[in-house]
Amino acid sequence: GAGVSQSPSNKVTEKGKDVELRCDPISGHTALYWYRQRLGQGLEFLIYFQGNSAPDKSGLPSDRFSAERTGGSVSTLTIQRTQQEDSAVYLCASSLLRAPQPQHFGDGTRLSIL
Amino acid sequence: GESVGLHLPTLSVQEGDNSIINCAYSNSASDYFIWYKQESGKGPQFIIDIRSNMDKRQGQRVTVLLNKTVKHLSLQIAATQPGDSAVYFCAENDSGGGADGLTFGKGTHLIIQP
Repeated sequence: GAGVSQSPSNKVTEKGKDVELRCDPISGHTALYWYRQRLGQGLEFLIYFQGNSAPDKSGLPSDRFSAERTGGSVSTLTIQRTQQEDSAVYLCASSLLRAPQPQHFGDGTRLSIL
Repeated sequence: GESVGLHLPTLSVQEGDNSIINCAYSNSASDYFIWYKQESGKGPQFIIDIRSNMDKRQGQRVTVLLNKTVKHLSLQIAATQPGDSAVYFCAENDSGGGADGLTFGKGTHLIIQP
C-alpha cells in the first residue's frame, strides 16, 4: 500500500527483554516521527528524523529507548530492558517535508510487557 | 509543561446534526494546528490543519476555527454521520521553537446517536 507500514502489529514480551519495532514511511517522505500512545491518552512525541540530519531525540523517556533510520527510509525503534510502563501503542508517522506539515500515521505496534 | 487539552472527553450528537469539538492550547508561540480522527485499533487519520496566520479553514464537511486571542481551536463537522464516530485529537506545533514533534491533547470521543 501507499501508507505508513508498521510491524509487528502486536508484540507481547516479558519484562527485561529487548524489542525492536519497525516503520516503513511513505515513499518520498523525508521526515519520520515516532510517538507513544498509552491507553486512553493522546500521543507523546518520542523522536524525529529529517533527511540525513541528526535526529531530534528530545522526547525519548529514558536511555533504554533508541531509534535509527537507515538510508533515509526504514526506521527501527528499540526498547532495551523493557518495563511494564513501556506497554503502549507505538505509532510512526511521516511527512513530505519537515514540520509544520501534516503527519501521516501508520496503525502502530501494540506492545504489551508481561 | 505547556500542552494542548480538550474541554470534554465525550461528545454525543444526533445523526445529521452538526458537531463541534473544542480544544484549548497554552503555548502562545504555537503556529500550526491540526486535527486527527482515530478509530479503534487504527492510527490517527489527518482531517484538516491550519496555520496561525488564518482564523478559519474549510474542508469537506469540516471547518476548523482558530482564535489566537483566547488560544482556542475548534473542529466543526457538518451533518454528522455514523462513520464520524471516533476519537478526535487536536495537536499543535511551535515551528519556531525548535520542536519538530506535535503536541497532542487527550482526545474527545464523538458518539453518534441514531
